Amino acid sequence: DQQVKQNSPSLSVQEGRISILNCDYTNSMFDYFLWYKKYPAEGPTFLISISSIKDKNEDGRFTVFLNKSAKHLSLHIVPSQPGDSAVYFCAASVNGNQFYFGTGTSLTVIP
Amino acid sequence: SAVISQKPSRDICQRGTSLTIQCQVDSQVTMMFWYRQQPGQSLTLIATANQGSEATYESGFVIDKFPISRPNLTFSTLTVSNMSPEDSSIYLCSVEDGTAGNTIYFGEGSWLTVV
Repeated sequence: DQQVKQNSPSLSVQEGRISILNCDYTNSMFDYFLWYKKYPAEGPTFLISISSIKDKNEDGRFTVFLNKSAKHLSLHIVPSQPGDSAVYFCAASVNGNQFYFGTGTSLTVIP
Repeated sequence: SAVISQKPSRDICQRGTSLTIQCQVDSQVTMMFWYRQQPGQSLTLIATANQGSEATYESGFVIDKFPISRPNLTFSTLTVSNMSPEDSSIYLCSVEDGTAGNTIYFGEGSWLTVV
């Protein structure tokens, strides 16, 4: 049973525009959410996180939004750059215990 | 943040052989995790390795196939035993950093190809 879902396997965006990656979850007990970026043949790199007590967290070009009532989080990248082209995973956990990952969204930023 | 070193980074292995992947962390951590990412699939947790206790395996993974050692708070190994082509995957070590809001950090991965 997939507790964390990324329903869009791929996304293409023009350089300079906004990239929005979405993630849905089913477990209302999740209290910590993270986004990871992964380049081919490399391990995932931590990008940004958000606690369930917040609804927004911003770090430079990256902003994560959390909608607890909808069990939905999203990652916004503004402006998108070609170097942002990668696979993005969202993850969720309860009290920092086992992390559940989505299946990833492959982002392509077109120059 | 924790810095994680994994070895080997890449290897081509013969069917039926075993390979041990090493994971070294630059700080003491309680929880270490081993993940697998097969082509086209999401990250899948293999097991959780806590120092001083037996590793806890997820459904579908067994100790005979993936024995894990955790001799101290900075080191762990994962062995992929009796490999078959289906074991071709990236294997990732990760640690949980409790001082950074329970963020987890990953090693660079070990890309194994079984021929």
